[in-house]
Amino acid sequence: KAGVTQTPRYLIKTRGQQVTLSCSPISGHRSVSWYQQTPGQGLQFLFEYFSETQRNKGNFPGRFSGRQFSNSRSEMNVSTLELGDSALYLCASSFVLAGGLTYEQYFGPGTRLTVT
Amino acid sequence: AQSVSQHNHHVILSEAASLELGCNYSYGGTVNLFWYVQYPGQHLQLLLKYFSGDPLVKGIKGFEAEFIKSKFSFNLRKPSVQWSDTAEYFCAVSPQTGANNLFFGTGTRLTVIP
Repeated sequence: KAGVTQTPRYLIKTRGQQVTLSCSPISGHRSVSWYQQTPGQGLQFLFEYFSETQRNKGNFPGRFSGRQFSNSRSEMNVSTLELGDSALYLCASSFVLAGGLTYEQYFGPGTRLTVT
Repeated sequence: AQSVSQHNHHVILSEAASLELGCNYSYGGTVNLFWYVQYPGQHLQLLLKYFSGDPLVKGIKGFEAEFIKSKFSFNLRKPSVQWSDTAEYFCAVSPQTGANNLFFGTGTRLTVIP
């Protein structure tokens, strides 16, 4: 079974621009979560999507947004980029049981975003 | 507020030494517990998980962890480490409410010397 894939793998943007990152979950996984990983703050939860709806949200500003498509693929968008947004953005997918409970999350390789 | 503490930031061991990495969490409810590993240049991989039942869980590559509810701990152990275990190890918790958000510890970097 193919793992979680993320595109692009590396990205360089300028302050003030916006960026869109893409994530394809493992086949059959309907929950997709996004995380930000930085040396200073570690791994932090951004949001989770399930059935094309945002189900959970972390403590990030509104510049960070996402969506999920009917095939469970997900995108996240960061508008008005700041230098502090430089990070590794990880996507994770998981299988969802009836009732909405989920199993463990499987992570993709991440997108390394550098903001200059 | 939820939090996960990993007290060891960097651990250096010789091959064949025993390993124990500490993890304590703070959460006002029932949780699922995980250990993830990130080998150099690779992505996060699940090492083991605890949802319910036997508090001693076994994972891949000879790792195991014990959930002690009274201590809010989920320590990772391996009786004999190998050079290939050099990696960063993350403890994580998620609420058992269907919310699929993981709270991670800051990670422990393990260096195994041949």
